[in-house]
Amino acid sequence: DVKVTQSSRYLVKRTGEKVFLECVQDMDHENMFWYRQDPGLGLRLIYFSYDVKMKEKGDIPEGYSVSREKKERFSLILESASTNQTSMYLCASTVDPAGNTIYFGEGSWLTVV
Amino acid sequence: KQEVTQIPAALSVPEGENLVLNCSFTDSAIYNLQWFRQDPGKGLTSLLLIQSSQREQTSGRLNASLDKSSGRSTLYIAASQPGDSATYLCAVRRKTGGFKTIFGAGTRLFVKA
Repeated sequence: DVKVTQSSRYLVKRTGEKVFLECVQDMDHENMFWYRQDPGLGLRLIYFSYDVKMKEKGDIPEGYSVSREKKERFSLILESASTNQTSMYLCASTVDPAGNTIYFGEGSWLTVV
Repeated sequence: KQEVTQIPAALSVPEGENLVLNCSFTDSAIYNLQWFRQDPGKGLTSLLLIQSSQREQTSGRLNASLDKSSGRSTLYIAASQPGDSATYLCAVRRKTGGFKTIFGAGTRLFVKA
């Protein structure tokens, strides 16, 4: 089975801190994604990557950056966390965006105080 | 702009009932449609993937149909069980605008024992 692992399930950070959310997939997928999920707003795409060192902005990239140095790992970075970034963050991966199943991690709950 | 709508937003049924969840989308230029299940506080689990050339997919008690021309998909759950209680989301992978997947807001299902 494909496994997408988000290393941190629950985090509490202070306003202004730099936050790293890590995601690792074990199926050699080219494409990886970061979403945030908020009540009433659904899933919103933050960034995605279709290859090592490649990245594309999603719908809400402001306040975030990403890093993909290795194919299996996609990191989401909050340079200076703010309270409005309190949310559930979901990582996903897929072989081919056009025709294949998307696999999600378990999610990371981030609270910024 | 692709929009995905799920009706109803919430549904409560007695155990054993057959039920249908609805998903509609505004742009028929899609690669595929995927149904997911999400348990509270968890990530999304893929249930069924229907390619744009297909009409339906089945897995166990689940059957998903796709009518691209009318912009509709249904998820049929037979003989519902309390363990089916979760939020069900549909998502379409559009052909235009890059690799983005558009998610519906979900239907929250509660199956009463």
